[in-house]
Amino acid sequence: QKEVEQDPGPLSVPEGAIVSLNCTYSNSAFQYFMWYRQYSRKGPELLMYTYSSGNKEDGRFTAQVDKSSKYISLFIRDSQPSDSATYLCAMTGGHRLAFGKGNQVVVIP
Amino acid sequence: GAVVSQHPSRVICKSGTSVKIECRSLDFQATTMFWYRQFPKQSLMLMATSNEGSKATYEQGVEKDKFLINHASLTLSTLTVTSAHPEDSSFYICSARAGAETSNTGELFFGEGSRLTVL
Repeated sequence: QKEVEQDPGPLSVPEGAIVSLNCTYSNSAFQYFMWYRQYSRKGPELLMYTYSSGNKEDGRFTAQVDKSSKYISLFIRDSQPSDSATYLCAMTGGHRLAFGKGNQVVVIP
Repeated sequence: GAVVSQHPSRVICKSGTSVKIECRSLDFQATTMFWYRQFPKQSLMLMATSNEGSKATYEQGVEKDKFLINHASLTLSTLTVTSAHPEDSSFYICSARAGAETSNTGELFFGEGSRLTVL
């Protein structure tokens, strides 16, 4: 089993819809969970950073962590064409980082 | 937010030459920086962890003699691809950890990446 599983997509949604992304993981030592957005030919940009279980909201973005299920989610409300990108989940329990494969999202105007 | 600058953004070189990529944290000190490779449609692959003032820690399967890492200061790490070959062509990305120097859980910020093409 891979350490972090993320469905690579692609995921196409109409503008204004809610985008729902998720990752599962196997290492119970992970405590810090991150979501990155990566546009084509650019480096990943940190979107959300969450510690342990719970929800975190920032504008149109909501990150959820359920450590008991080893499951994290990212929701994008009122999606815009500019949200079209690849979204990577990442997590760490200490020194080592683990990334998901990335989920390509396309928001159709 | 914290900014990590990576240079050059694109480099084309001939096979057999060496290429140096710089990674700078512009408004914070980073005792730890990370170097990744990214192949098309794949996730980031951690190559090595760069620690200021000490030798880098390489991931399994990464040749340390081929990918030389120097973390000379708290704001600069360099990756040198020695004797580059076409199979080294890839997108190289660095990241730096912000936060307390003794903490390994600070937020992680990425550079824009460097696309290396070896002819």
